[in-house]
Amino acid sequence: NAGVMQNPRHLVRRRGQEARLRCSPMKGHSHVYWYRQLPEEGLKFMVYLQKENIIDESGMPKERFSAEFPKEGPSILRIQQVVRGDSAAYFCASSPQGDTQYFGPGTRLTVL
Amino acid sequence: GDSVTQMEGPVTLSEEAFLTINCTYTATGYPSLFWYVQYPGEGLQLLLKATKADDKGSNKGFEATYRKETTSFHLEKGSVQVSDSAVYFCALSGNAGNNRKLIWGLGTSLAVNP
Repeated sequence: NAGVMQNPRHLVRRRGQEARLRCSPMKGHSHVYWYRQLPEEGLKFMVYLQKENIIDESGMPKERFSAEFPKEGPSILRIQQVVRGDSAAYFCASSPQGDTQYFGPGTRLTVL
Repeated sequence: GDSVTQMEGPVTLSEEAFLTINCTYTATGYPSLFWYVQYPGEGLQLLLKATKADDKGSNKGFEATYRKETTSFHLEKGSVQVSDSAVYFCALSGNAGNNRKLIWGLGTSLAVNP
């Protein structure tokens, strides 16, 4: 059983561009969580999704950020018009219903 | 709201030394408690967990006991190795419903010297 896959592993964007981060959960997992790890800060919850539904987006910035988890395909975290403050490591985790979360290797976003 | 506080690092130890990393929490209800480890340049790996009071989680020689009376979940290992050098995160999640979002401590960096 392959682990949680994230791609790309490293992403460089210029200010104002869009960033798309992908997360493929483990087989059989229908719950996906996204977290952000800012430099010198801890991990912060961003959003919790189930297939085709956003369940909890209380940690998402109100503007420029969106997430989806379609019926087919990976979960996508989208950041529009990136700014330098968006530079961080973004981790996704998947779980079966209400259980332990398994993390992907993360996407390290650098905004120039 | 819920929160996790863990001791600040970095912690530097010699090989075979005893390790304790303190973690305390504030939460409503009865959370589950976790320790995750992050090796340099990698993602987060679950190290151990405990889901109710007095449970002891253990893995790879690491242990932590869920202490409700002191709201603590301290990580211990009797004899550390160089390969244990990493950042350790304490975290909690609620147990109600399917939303198990994790609330994290800031992480404690551990360096083990030969």
